Amino acid sequence: KAGVTQTPRYLIKTRGQQVTLSCSPISGHRSVSWYQQTPGQGLQFLFEYFSETQRNKGNFPGRFSGRQFSNSRSEMNVSTLELGDSALYLCASSLGGGVPDTQYFGPGTRLTVL
Amino acid sequence: AQSVTQLDSQVPVFEEAPVELRCNYSSSVSVYLFWYVQYPNQGLQLLLKYLSGSTLVKGINGFEAEFNKSQTSFHLRKPSVHISDTAEYFCAVSQPHVSNDYKLSFGAGTTVTVRA
Repeated sequence: KAGVTQTPRYLIKTRGQQVTLSCSPISGHRSVSWYQQTPGQGLQFLFEYFSETQRNKGNFPGRFSGRQFSNSRSEMNVSTLELGDSALYLCASSLGGGVPDTQYFGPGTRLTVL
Repeated sequence: AQSVTQLDSQVPVFEEAPVELRCNYSSSVSVYLFWYVQYPNQGLQLLLKYLSGSTLVKGINGFEAEFNKSQTSFHLRKPSVHISDTAEYFCAVSQPHVSNDYKLSFGAGTTVTVRA
Protein backbone atom coordinates (compact mmCIF):
# COMPACT_ATOMS: atom_id res chain seq x y z
CA LYS A 1 0.00 0.00 0.00
CA ALA A 2 1.39 3.40 -0.89
CA GLY A 3 2.12 5.74 1.98
CA VAL A 4 1.10 9.32 2.52
CA THR A 5 2.37 11.58 -0.23
CA GLN A 6 2.89 15.32 -0.08
CA THR A 7 3.58 17.75 -2.86
CA PRO A 8 5.65 19.70 -3.42
CA ARG A 9 8.53 18.58 -1.23
CA TYR A 10 10.20 21.99 -1.24
CA LEU A 11 8.88 25.50 -1.73
CA ILE A 12 10.45 28.94 -1.63
CA LYS A 13 8.14 31.93 -1.37
CA THR A 14 8.45 35.60 -0.42
CA ARG A 15 6.64 37.48 2.29
CA GLY A 16 3.08 38.41 1.42
CA GLN A 17 2.58 35.60 -1.06
CA GLN A 18 0.26 32.68 -0.54
CA VAL A 19 0.96 28.97 -0.85
CA THR A 20 -1.01 25.75 -1.25
CA LEU A 21 0.30 22.38 -0.08
CA SER A 22 -1.21 19.05 -1.06
CA CYS A 23 -1.55 15.75 0.77
CA SER A 24 -2.77 12.37 -0.50
CA PRO A 25 -3.61 9.96 2.32
CA ILE A 26 -3.14 6.22 2.45
CA SER A 27 -5.85 4.47 0.46
CA GLY A 28 -8.88 3.89 2.67
CA HIS A 29 -7.93 6.55 5.21
CA ARG A 30 -10.55 9.23 5.65
CA SER A 31 -8.90 11.49 8.21
CA VAL A 32 -6.12 13.91 7.35
CA SER A 33 -4.26 16.03 9.91
CA TRP A 34 -1.73 18.78 9.34
CA TYR A 35 1.17 19.72 11.60
CA GLN A 36 3.79 22.45 11.51
CA GLN A 37 7.32 21.63 12.63
CA THR A 38 9.82 24.37 13.50
CA PRO A 39 13.03 24.29 15.55
CA GLY A 40 11.60 26.75 18.06
CA GLN A 41 8.05 25.48 18.54
CA GLY A 42 8.44 21.81 17.67
CA LEU A 43 5.50 19.91 16.25
CA GLN A 44 2.21 21.77 16.46
CA PHE A 45 -1.22 20.66 15.34
CA LEU A 46 -2.86 22.79 12.66
CA PHE A 47 -6.16 21.07 11.84
CA GLU A 48 -7.82 17.78 11.05
CA TYR A 49 -10.32 16.91 8.35
CA PHE A 50 -12.67 13.97 8.13
CA SER A 51 -15.22 13.41 5.37
CA GLU A 52 -14.60 16.89 3.96
CA THR A 53 -15.32 18.57 7.32
CA GLN A 54 -12.87 20.25 9.64
CA ARG A 55 -13.21 18.28 12.86
CA ASN A 56 -10.55 19.95 15.00
CA LYS A 57 -8.38 23.04 14.81
CA GLY A 58 -5.20 24.15 16.54
CA ASN A 59 -4.18 27.62 17.67
CA PHE A 60 -3.08 29.15 14.40
CA PRO A 61 -4.24 32.42 12.81
CA GLY A 62 -6.90 32.48 10.14
CA ARG A 63 -4.23 32.81 7.45
CA PHE A 64 -3.90 29.04 7.75
CA SER A 65 -6.77 27.17 6.17
CA GLY A 66 -7.44 23.80 4.67
CA ARG A 67 -9.93 21.66 2.91
CA GLN A 68 -10.56 18.04 2.07
CA PHE A 69 -11.97 16.60 -1.11
CA SER A 70 -14.35 13.70 -1.59
CA ASN A 71 -11.43 11.36 -2.36
CA SER A 72 -9.91 12.31 1.06
CA ARG A 73 -7.05 14.27 -0.49
CA SER A 74 -6.39 17.45 1.43
CA GLU A 75 -4.86 20.83 0.79
CA MET A 76 -3.71 23.49 3.18
CA ASN A 77 -3.33 27.13 2.25
CA VAL A 78 -1.33 29.86 3.92
CA SER A 79 -2.08 33.40 2.85
CA THR A 80 -0.01 36.52 3.37
CA LEU A 81 3.12 34.57 4.22
CA GLU A 82 5.37 35.74 7.05
CA LEU A 83 8.99 34.84 7.73
CA GLY A 84 7.86 32.82 10.74
CA ASP A 85 5.84 30.52 8.52
CA SER A 86 9.06 28.90 7.34
CA ALA A 87 8.71 25.33 8.53
CA LEU A 88 8.29 21.68 7.63
CA TYR A 89 4.59 21.00 7.11
CA LEU A 90 3.62 17.43 7.79
CA CYS A 91 0.46 15.70 6.79
CA ALA A 92 -0.79 12.55 8.52
CA SER A 93 -3.60 10.21 7.63
CA SER A 94 -5.60 7.73 9.66
CA LEU A 95 -8.68 5.60 9.26
CA GLY A 96 -10.70 8.19 11.14
CA GLY A 97 -13.17 6.02 13.00
CA GLY A 98 -14.99 6.86 16.18
CA VAL A 99 -11.87 7.26 18.33
CA PRO A 100 -8.42 8.63 17.51
CA ASP A 101 -6.30 5.96 15.88
CA THR A 102 -2.79 5.68 14.51
CA GLN A 103 -1.62 8.53 12.32
CA TYR A 104 0.81 7.83 9.48
CA PHE A 105 2.93 10.71 8.29
CA GLY A 106 4.10 11.85 4.90
CA PRO A 107 7.61 13.14 4.14
CA GLY A 108 6.57 16.76 4.58
CA THR A 109 6.79 19.94 2.55
CA ARG A 110 9.68 22.24 3.45
CA LEU A 111 8.48 25.84 3.08
CA THR A 112 11.00 28.66 3.12
CA VAL A 113 9.71 32.24 3.25
CA LEU A 114 12.20 34.93 2.21
CA ALA B 1 -5.49 19.36 28.01
CA GLN B 2 -2.67 16.89 27.75
CA SER B 3 1.05 17.65 27.57
CA VAL B 4 4.16 15.61 26.91
CA THR B 5 7.62 16.08 28.40
CA GLN B 6 10.67 14.40 26.97
CA LEU B 7 13.23 14.64 29.70
CA ASP B 8 16.35 14.51 27.55
CA SER B 9 16.91 16.74 24.56
CA GLN B 10 20.10 14.95 23.46
CA VAL B 11 21.31 11.43 24.13
CA PRO B 12 24.76 10.39 22.87
CA VAL B 13 25.35 6.65 22.97
CA PHE B 14 27.96 4.20 21.71
CA GLU B 15 27.12 1.56 19.15
CA GLU B 16 25.83 -1.71 20.68
CA ALA B 17 25.09 0.03 24.00
CA PRO B 18 21.54 0.22 25.39
CA VAL B 19 19.53 3.41 25.25
CA GLU B 20 16.49 4.70 27.14
CA LEU B 21 14.50 7.76 26.12
CA ARG B 22 12.22 9.15 28.79
CA CYS B 23 8.73 10.46 28.24
CA ASN B 24 6.21 11.69 30.78
CA TYR B 25 2.73 12.91 30.05
CA SER B 26 0.03 14.75 31.91
CA SER B 27 -3.64 14.19 31.25
CA SER B 28 -6.76 14.04 33.35
CA VAL B 29 -8.23 11.33 31.11
CA SER B 30 -7.03 8.10 29.58
CA VAL B 31 -4.60 8.43 26.68
CA TYR B 32 -3.13 6.68 23.71
CA LEU B 33 0.68 6.89 23.55
CA PHE B 34 3.03 6.80 20.59
CA TRP B 35 6.72 6.96 19.74
CA TYR B 36 7.76 8.26 16.33
CA VAL B 37 11.22 8.54 14.79
CA GLN B 38 12.35 11.18 12.33
CA TYR B 39 15.44 10.67 10.21
CA PRO B 40 17.09 13.74 8.63
CA ASN B 41 14.97 15.38 5.94
CA GLN B 42 12.17 12.89 6.37
CA GLY B 43 8.71 12.69 7.91
CA LEU B 44 7.76 10.81 11.05
CA GLN B 45 7.77 7.02 11.17
CA LEU B 46 5.76 5.15 13.79
CA LEU B 47 7.93 3.04 16.08
CA LEU B 48 5.28 1.71 18.43
CA LYS B 49 2.03 2.57 20.18
CA TYR B 50 0.09 1.86 23.34
CA LEU B 51 -3.68 1.84 23.02
CA SER B 52 -4.70 -0.64 25.74
CA GLY B 53 -3.80 -4.05 27.11
CA SER B 54 -0.26 -5.14 27.91
CA THR B 55 1.83 -2.31 29.27
CA LEU B 56 4.97 -3.56 27.52
CA VAL B 57 4.81 -2.69 23.86
CA LYS B 58 7.19 -3.95 21.22
CA GLY B 59 7.82 -1.97 18.07
CA ILE B 60 9.92 -2.01 14.94
CA ASN B 61 13.72 -2.10 14.77
CA GLY B 62 14.07 -3.72 18.22
CA PHE B 63 12.48 -0.88 20.20
CA GLU B 64 10.10 -1.40 23.09
CA ALA B 65 8.32 0.87 25.55
CA GLU B 66 6.56 0.42 28.86
CA PHE B 67 3.41 2.26 29.86
CA ASN B 68 3.36 3.13 33.55
CA LYS B 69 0.05 4.66 34.51
CA SER B 70 0.98 5.49 38.12
CA GLN B 71 4.08 7.37 37.00
CA THR B 72 2.42 8.70 33.82
CA SER B 73 5.42 7.58 31.81
CA PHE B 74 6.07 5.85 28.50
CA HIS B 75 9.83 5.32 28.25
CA LEU B 76 11.39 3.94 25.08
CA ARG B 77 14.24 1.43 25.20
CA LYS B 78 16.52 -0.48 22.90
CA PRO B 79 19.01 -3.01 24.28
CA SER B 80 21.65 -2.50 21.58
CA VAL B 81 21.74 0.47 19.21
CA HIS B 82 23.17 0.75 15.71
CA ILE B 83 24.64 3.70 13.87
CA SER B 84 21.43 3.75 11.81
CA ASP B 85 19.41 4.57 14.95
CA THR B 86 20.83 8.10 14.87
CA ALA B 87 17.68 10.21 14.55
CA GLU B 88 15.22 12.36 16.46
CA TYR B 89 12.59 10.59 18.53
CA PHE B 90 9.21 12.02 19.47
CA CYS B 91 6.78 10.89 22.12
CA ALA B 92 3.14 11.77 21.44
CA VAL B 93 -0.23 11.42 23.13
CA SER B 94 -3.83 11.55 22.02
CA GLN B 95 -7.03 11.48 24.05
CA PRO B 96 -9.33 8.74 22.81
CA HIS B 97 -12.39 9.66 24.82
CA VAL B 98 -12.54 13.42 24.39
CA SER B 99 -15.11 14.28 21.77
CA ASN B 100 -13.68 15.48 18.45
CA ASP B 101 -10.13 15.60 19.82
CA TYR B 102 -8.11 13.61 17.34
CA LYS B 103 -4.89 15.56 17.44
CA LEU B 104 -1.51 14.30 18.57
CA SER B 105 0.35 16.35 21.16
CA PHE B 106 4.10 15.91 20.81
CA GLY B 107 7.04 16.24 23.11
CA ALA B 108 9.97 18.44 22.11
CA GLY B 109 11.95 15.49 20.81
CA THR B 110 15.14 13.66 21.80
CA THR B 111 18.09 13.60 19.44
CA VAL B 112 19.93 10.30 19.62
CA THR B 113 23.47 10.24 18.25
CA VAL B 114 25.08 6.83 17.99
CA ARG B 115 28.89 6.77 17.85
CA ALA B 116 31.12 3.90 16.75
